[in-house]
Formats: sequence, structure tokens, C-alpha cells
Amino acid sequence: QVQLQESGPGLVKPSETLSLTCTVSGGSITSYYWSWIRQAPGKGLEWIGYINHSGISNFNPSLKSRLTMPIDTSRNQFSLMLSSVSTADTAVYYCARFYYDSSGYSFDSWGQGTLVTVSS
Amino acid sequence: DIVLTQSPGTLSLSPGERVTLSCRASQSVGSSYLAWYQQRPGQAPRVLIYGASTRATGIPDRFSGSGSGTDFTLTIRRLEPEDFAVYYCQQYGLSPITFGQGTRLEIK
Repeated sequence: QVQLQESGPGLVKPSETLSLTCTVSGGSITSYYWSWIRQAPGKGLEWIGYINHSGISNFNPSLKSRLTMPIDTSRNQFSLMLSSVSTADTAVYYCARFYYDSSGYSFDSWGQGTLVTVSS
Repeated sequence: DIVLTQSPGTLSLSPGERVTLSCRASQSVGSSYLAWYQQRPGQAPRVLIYGASTRATGIPDRFSGSGSGTDFTLTIRRLEPEDFAVYYCQQYGLSPITFGQGTRLEIK
């Protein structure tokens, strides 16, 4: 059973860069795609983007200009870097595996989530 | 972007009842690309259904999904106390991936 764990600062200042890392255990990061999803307090889910071990990626156009999503297969980790943050970026950030088989696609494994607050 | 509209926004029901949740897409979504998630308070979402009708691993058979094109439903046959949560649909038929706004199931 694959497990994911987010790590990173819980507080970021406006205009700075939000950086989070997701560590994958119980499975190899060289299979499937790996994604970030966020949820503002009391709100719904927003997909941020995904990447695979070859660096093939797809980002939400609403965030693309501020996004970097590096992947480190040697450490079984992938990361999120979101630049020029504002209070609108305050959210719980989840990492998740984007799974697919003959039946379809889903985010089948999730980290517990980490709250990132943007505040001075 | 494909907008997913879930209805109703909130439902108040009793354990043992049957419930059907609706998810309507602004454009046609291939069946392989529609999933349903359950989110309990303070927890990450977990997938219930993907490919519109395939139950994810470990999901009880009281959960079922159906639909195609622009109209999809999630049915819970007999509500258990642990089923009272928020439910989201999600599509991957067209990038960007989008989620519905959620339906909250409350205990009556």
C-alpha cells in the first residue's frame, strides 16, 4: 500500500515562494503520475498539477505561471514550488497519486495534507 | 474548463436511508474520466468510484456509480453513520482536472 507524506513550512510570507515536498513510501515513484491538490479553508478541492518520473507534467493554467514541480526519483520524492504567494494561496495542500488502469483514472492515494498559511 | 455542478448542496438523512447524489458536467466527460470521493472532517479525500462505475479497492458495495456524457450519479444503498461526510465528483476528460463543489450529507 503506497503512502504519501507532505512536509514543509506551515507559514509563508506574501510574495515569497511556497515549497513543499511529498515523500512516497511502499511503492516506486517511477510508476503513475504524482499530483498536488489544495483546499482553501472551508472550500472545495483544486487540482494544482501532476508530474511523472520522466518529467512529463500538466499544470492548472490558473497557477502555471507560478508553478514548478520537481521530482527526485532517487529519493522517491516530488515537490511543489509556488512563487509570489498571496493570502489566496492559504490552503491545506495534499499530495496524491494519479492512478490509472483499464477502468479509468483517479487520485487513489493521498497524503494527510499540510496547512500552509500565507501571512506576514 | 469543465464545470461540475453537484446537487443538492446539502442533504439531511437518517442512517439506513438510500441516497443518490448528482454530478452534472458542462461538457461531455468520457466515462473513464469521472470519479467520486468522500471526505470526512479533518481527513484527506478518499476515492470511492472511478471510471464512473468501478468501486475502488476496499469500498463497500453499498456505494455505486453510474452515468455517462454529462450526467453522473453516486448512490449509497443504506447509509451507515460513517457515510455522513462531503462527497466530490472529479473529471479528467479535459484538462484542467476539475472537482465539483461538493455535496454535504448530514445526519437528520
